[in-house]
Formats: sequence, C-alpha cells, structure tokens
Amino acid sequence: DAGVTQSPTHLIKTRGQQVTLRCSPKSGHDTVSWYQQALGQGPQFIFQYYEEEERQRGNFPDRFSGHQFPNYSSELNVNALLLGDSALYLCASSLRQGSEQYFGPGTRLTVT
Amino acid sequence: GQNIDQPTEMTATEGAIVQINCTYQTSGFNGLFWYQQHAGEAPTFLSYNVLDGLEEKGRFSSFLSRSKGYSYLLLKELQMKDSASYLCAVDNNDMRFGAGTRLTVKP
Repeated sequence: DAGVTQSPTHLIKTRGQQVTLRCSPKSGHDTVSWYQQALGQGPQFIFQYYEEEERQRGNFPDRFSGHQFPNYSSELNVNALLLGDSALYLCASSLRQGSEQYFGPGTRLTVT
Repeated sequence: GQNIDQPTEMTATEGAIVQINCTYQTSGFNGLFWYQQHAGEAPTFLSYNVLDGLEEKGRFSSFLSRSKGYSYLLLKELQMKDSASYLCAVDNNDMRFGAGTRLTVKP
C-alpha cells in the first residue's frame, strides 16, 4: 500500500519563474492538502482539495493555485516565484476532512 | 487573531517524562492534532483529541481542555529516537500548525 508520494524531491528555480509540484495521495484517500514549511517553522496551510474542487484556502496569494484530478492526485502551481517562496512544500492526504493526515516526503523548492 | 503557541525548545533525559504544552486561540475548533517531525522528514501522526480529557497511546498521551484552549503531549520513558520536533495543530476546517517544539533527549 503506497503512502503519499511527491515529485520532484528537490527543485531550483529562478525568481519570476513558475513551478508545478505533484502529489499522489495514499490509496483510498480522497482529500489532499498542501502546506508550505519554512525552516524552523510549522507547516502553513495553503489549500485543500476534495472532489476536484478547492474546499479551504489559507492566507496565500493567488500566485498559489492548485488542481485535483479524478484519480485524487493533485498539483500545486506557483507563479511569479519570489525568493521568499523557498521552502519545503508538503502534501498530505486524508480520508475526509478532520481525520488523520498522512504527509508525503515533501518537495524542497529553492528560488534564486 | 488566531494563535497556536508552544515552547520553542525543550531538553530531557533518556528514560524521563516530558510534557509539551500547546495553547491556542482560533475562531473555530474541530479537534487538535499532535505530529512528530524528525529533521528533514515529513510529519507523522501521533494523536487526535476532539473531546476534553486524556488520550493514551503507548508511551505517548495527549490531553485537551477546550474551555482553556490548552493541550499537552506527554512522552514517557524517553528514548534517544524521540529527539524531534513536536507540532501541535488545530483543525479549524483548515489545519493551523504551531511552530513546533524541538525536543532533545540526552543520555
């Protein structure tokens, strides 16, 4: 039974570029949440997807967008990258809202 | 505002007991999670409290008081492998995490 997978593991981008991160949820899970974690900080909630729609959104600008596909996998897109977007991006899946979330290994994004 | 506060760092001795506190002020509350995160790794689930009281799971226990906006994670019989960051998170339809408490277990 595969857990949550994310790709790529690491990514280096230049300021102003766009990036797409990918997540496959744990088998049987239908809800995917995305988080940004800066060094030494807790994860910050970006948004949550359920039934291919954004259900909840944290305090992130519109440069951050996402998508969920019919197979429940998800993408996080960030446009016009800023140096401050450098962080670990975590994807978490759950069976429903409010239940235990299983985290993927994360994608380390560095913006230069 | 919405705040989740926990101590930044704690140190304890192998075999001892440590209590990590978390206080929160949020506009809504569905439940409170505790996660463990080793350096360079993803968070892993430890516990989930919805009702007031103590939930025990092996060496780890978690307590919740909704009226006081307070929770703690209790770790017993500490082992070196328990050195990690411990994250308190409030389920408020979205998930709000504290900054984490970095626990160092010394021999």
